[in-house]
Amino acid sequence: GAGVSQSPSNKVTEKGKDVELRCDPISGHTALYWYRQSLGQGLEFLIYFQGNSAPDKSGLPSDRFSAERTGGSVSTLTIQRTQQEDSAVYLCASSSARLGYHTEAFFGQGTRLTVV
Amino acid sequence: AQTVTQSQPEMSVQEAETVTLSCTYDTSESDYYLFWYKQPPSRQMILVIRQEAYKQQNATENRFSVNFQKAAKSFSLKISDSQLGDAAMYFCAYRSARAGANSKLTFGKGITLSVRP
Repeated sequence: GAGVSQSPSNKVTEKGKDVELRCDPISGHTALYWYRQSLGQGLEFLIYFQGNSAPDKSGLPSDRFSAERTGGSVSTLTIQRTQQEDSAVYLCASSSARLGYHTEAFFGQGTRLTVV
Repeated sequence: AQTVTQSQPEMSVQEAETVTLSCTYDTSESDYYLFWYKQPPSRQMILVIRQEAYKQQNATENRFSVNFQKAAKSFSLKISDSQLGDAAMYFCAYRSARAGANSKLTFGKGITLSVRP
């Protein structure tokens, strides 16, 4: 597609339920990143994919968070047993890489998750 | 680990005036990139300007320019002739430039810029 696409745009869920957030990166971009933006905070890195593998998942806050990427394209971030502190905007970004060097990261519009 | 600090949470500027947004960072690397991103209410992060650490010349993009002081680890953004459309959150970000390095961005907490008509 023309840009990074994220769905849903907004999600309200009840505490304890599982949610899945989807990211469709720019076609051909091998790198994909998930960030979390909590109110009043900057963007917090969650996980980085290169192709289908995740060489850096150091930002995932707990084992309730997981992510996968299939076909080197679409990625899904799953939050199990959601808690109120999970409420945030979840942003996805993608970039391409040549010879180990990455281009600029392009961001989607994010998913605003509200846990009630 | 790298850190990025934006100490001013909010700033305001009169339309057509100039404003400078501050950013400092800490790293032990010598080769890296610095960025300023704009986030309007639509939430989409938009790249405003980029600076390569090995370049001494300050980057410029139309009304936007940076003052990059590598020794001081300072990277401020100057917006000239401010327009109402410049009102947004602005984030300073760091990324390693080492080949094969994790290309994740490290962000500051952001600054909310308002523009007075």
